[in-house]
Amino acid sequence: EAGVAQSPRYKIIEKRQSVAFWCNPISGHATLYWYQQILGQGPKLLIQFQNNGVVDDSQLPKDRFSAERLKGVDSTLKIQPAKLEDSAVYLCASTPRRAGALNKETQYFGPGTRLLVL
Amino acid sequence: EDQVTQSPEALRLQEGESSSLNCSYTVSGLRGLFWYRQDPGKGPEFLFTLYSAGEEKEKERLKATLTKKESFLHITAPKPEDSATYLCAVQAPNSGYALNFGKGTSLLVTP
Repeated sequence: EAGVAQSPRYKIIEKRQSVAFWCNPISGHATLYWYQQILGQGPKLLIQFQNNGVVDDSQLPKDRFSAERLKGVDSTLKIQPAKLEDSAVYLCASTPRRAGALNKETQYFGPGTRLLVL
Repeated sequence: EDQVTQSPEALRLQEGESSSLNCSYTVSGLRGLFWYRQDPGKGPEFLFTLYSAGEEKEKERLKATLTKKESFLHITAPKPEDSATYLCAVQAPNSGYALNFGKGTSLLVTP
């Protein structure tokens, strides 16, 4: 079974530029998460989707970050304009079924996109 | 507010020298406690999920345990390939079932 795919793997931009990241979750996984991992820290949730609807975006800096999951499969995360403090690894994860279901679901992570803002 | 604290921040072991990593947590209504391994330049790799106090799970040289306030990841006779960052995370209903991670423990096992 193929894992979570992310692209690009690396991106270097200048501050105030825009950037987009793409995620393709494991086939059939309904729930998709975007996390931000700053160097030396654990991942921090940015946004959670259930199919193509947003479940939680309370920690997403909405003045500059946006995300969508059209058709309930692939997802894109965009930053516009980028700031120096956005330099981090952006991780995508997916789980098979609906959050809150009786079965506890494991999140499977992709390799991440490493962003450097200069 | 949910909190996850991992200790130590870094640990250096000789090959074969057993030790434990600690994850202390405060969360309302714990749904699950997760352990992940993260190698440099890679995403976290799932190791274990623990759901209730007293539960234990094992995988090769790793054994995870859970109490009402903390979890331990025991590493028995580690090998250099066990070197990685080990992340602990909790899952709670009030967080939309997203994971709340600690900062991790960086483990180095030398030959």
